Amino acid sequence: RKEVEQDPGPFNVPEGATVAFNCTYSNSASQSFFWYRQDCRKEPKLLMSVYSSGNEDGRFTAQLNRASQYISLLIRDSKLSDSATYLCVVRPFSGGYNKLIFGAGTRLAVHP
Amino acid sequence: EAGVVQSPRYKIIEKKQPVAFWCNPISGHNTLYWYRQNLGQGPELLIRYENEEAVDDSQLPKDRFSAERLKGVDSTLKIQPAELGDSAVYLCASSSISGGSTQKDTQYFGPGTRLTVL
Repeated sequence: RKEVEQDPGPFNVPEGATVAFNCTYSNSASQSFFWYRQDCRKEPKLLMSVYSSGNEDGRFTAQLNRASQYISLLIRDSKLSDSATYLCVVRPFSGGYNKLIFGAGTRLAVHP
Repeated sequence: EAGVVQSPRYKIIEKKQPVAFWCNPISGHNTLYWYRQNLGQGPELLIRYENEEAVDDSQLPKDRFSAERLKGVDSTLKIQPAELGDSAVYLCASSSISGGSTQKDTQYFGPGTRLTVL
């Protein structure tokens, strides 16, 4: 089983749609969680961290369910510019070890 | 502020040839990472440096891969000899926090080197 699993998609949605991505992780002791965005042939960039209480950044909402080891990302009012691959990322260790485990990514295509 | 710089951006070589990738991290970032990203997959860590010390190279295939960060700034990743399966994007990242209690440091990625082995 992979440490971080995501639905690869692609998710094809019209502009204005709401879309949700899910992710599961295997290490119950994992400490920190993130969503990264990767445009085609570009490097990954941090989209947002995911906190236990859930957090929102504009049209983006991230949720964490530690009991189910499940992370989600909700995008409201999709824009063409949201088309990208969304990588679910887990930091399994506490303290100073900044190791990140990446999922394979979920591809989103927003069409007019 | 300049981001992580990598070169070359693209490299095509024949199998069994050597190849080297170069990375210059963000100024002041003492932690540097090399990742490999295969097509359709997320990045996987190869090696992590804190200053000039390789503190995690457990995922580095040491029979053919080597890396160095001699002065604790820029770094080189080498493959010798390259195999067909090494075709991938090699990403360098850096972060400012190398240890301690904070978990909030962000890893910033360079544009990567796309390697094709024929």
